[in-house]
Amino acid sequence: DTGVSQDPRHKITKRGQNVTFRCDPISEHNRLYWYRQTLGQGPEFLTYFQNEAQLEKSRLLSDRFSAERPKGSFSTLEIQRTEQGDSAMYLCASSWGAEAFFGQGTRLTVV
Amino acid sequence: KNEVEQSPQNLTAQEGEFITINCSYSVGISALHWLQQHPGGGIVSLFMLSSGKKKHGRLIATINIQEKHSSLHITASHPRDSAVYICAGNTDKLIFGTGTRLQVFP
Repeated sequence: DTGVSQDPRHKITKRGQNVTFRCDPISEHNRLYWYRQTLGQGPEFLTYFQNEAQLEKSRLLSDRFSAERPKGSFSTLEIQRTEQGDSAMYLCASSWGAEAFFGQGTRLTVV
Repeated sequence: KNEVEQSPQNLTAQEGEFITINCSYSVGISALHWLQQHPGGGIVSLFMLSSGKKKHGRLIATINIQEKHSSLHITASHPRDSAVYICAGNTDKLIFGTGTRLQVFP
C-alpha cells in the first residue's frame, strides 16, 4: 500500500471519553500533518511533524489534544475528555518536499 | 488571516459548462495544490503546481507566480465533477483555502 492510511475511518464516542486516531504516512515521507475539518469548512491546521519532532502546534490544539510521532513513522492524535465541539473529520497528510498526499480521514462524532 | 483565498465559495453549473475556480495566495508559498473532496469522502490530490500549467483529462490547473494566483478549470463539466475543490499552499506546512463547493446539474 503506497498511500496514507488512517484508522479508524469512523468513531462515535460519548462526551467525556478519550479517543485516539492513527495515521500511517507514506514510508519515505519525513513530514506528517494533522488537520481538522468541520462541515462546510476547509481543513484547519492542527500540528505537524518533521520526522519525530513536532515543529508546530495550532492554537486550535487545546490541552486536551496531544499528538505523537514516535520514531518518525506513524503518528497518533489523542483527544482527552471529548466534547461535542470536537466532532469533525480529522485528516492526516504526509509529504516529502512539496508534494503532499492525504489520508481518507477519521470522522469523529461525539454524542 | 488566511494566506490562501478561494473564490467562489459556491458554484452551480449545467452539464457541459466550462468551470473556473480561483485561488490567491500570499508570499512564502512555494507550491500550490488543487484537491478534490466528494461529500463524506477523503481528499484526493489533483495537481501540485509551482509554475506554469498542468492538464489531466478535463482538468487544467494554471499558476501565475508574479500575481500569486492559480486557477482550476474543468472543461465539459459533468455531474460526477460535483465536489468541493480546495486549493492548498505549501509553506513549511500546508495552508488550505476554504474550498469551493461545485454542483453540476444534468
